[in-house]
Amino acid sequence: ILNVEQSPQSLHVQEGDSTNFTCSFPSSNFYALHWYRWETAKSPEALFVMTLNGDEKKKGRISATLNTKEGYSYLYIKGSQPEDSATYLCACHYSNYQLIWGAGTKLIIKP
Amino acid sequence: KAGVTQTPRYLIKTRGQQVTLSCSPISGHRSVSWYQQTPGQGLQFLFEYFSETQRNKGNFPGRFSGRQFSNSRSEMNVSTLELGDSALYLCASSHSGSNTGELFFGEGSRLTVL
Repeated sequence: ILNVEQSPQSLHVQEGDSTNFTCSFPSSNFYALHWYRWETAKSPEALFVMTLNGDEKKKGRISATLNTKEGYSYLYIKGSQPEDSATYLCACHYSNYQLIWGAGTKLIIKP
Repeated sequence: KAGVTQTPRYLIKTRGQQVTLSCSPISGHRSVSWYQQTPGQGLQFLFEYFSETQRNKGNFPGRFSGRQFSNSRSEMNVSTLELGDSALYLCASSHSGSNTGELFFGEGSRLTVL
């Protein structure tokens, strides 16, 4: 059974601080990794889709890296703002098209 | 471009009843997938449809079923409802359903089973 793990489960960060969290996944038959942001009372929204080992993606203050050989991805948020408060989900595609989801990291930004 | 639309948004049923949820994907998207989210759990994959065919199915009992129509709209049905089926059901669409295609989610249907 494939298992995608995210850590930490929750995180409190002071506004203005930078933070990062991890998604770990089995690397065998890996195809792609997705990061989504899920704000309360909204729908999950795609941040990045990454496929290549060593890939780095950036969107504003948020960036992500991918290591497919060792099976992990980091999501970084620089200079956290209150609007960054959300649950960040990672999901991995394997060869059967099915996305395996992590349980998420809940990020709370303290003003 | 309209987003993914799910109906109904909220519903209350009793044990033993059945329920049908609907999902209209973004125009042009051919892949629709369904997820269940319960408190403290990640998204649990139910099934995925592409061009009216079920391409993948998660580990849910046979009481959970779905279908996709020729216009890519999808429905999921849960029969003989149990208390544990109370959850947020999310639908997502993507253009091709490829491994690198990002998903676009609806706002979900929140089901409460009494």
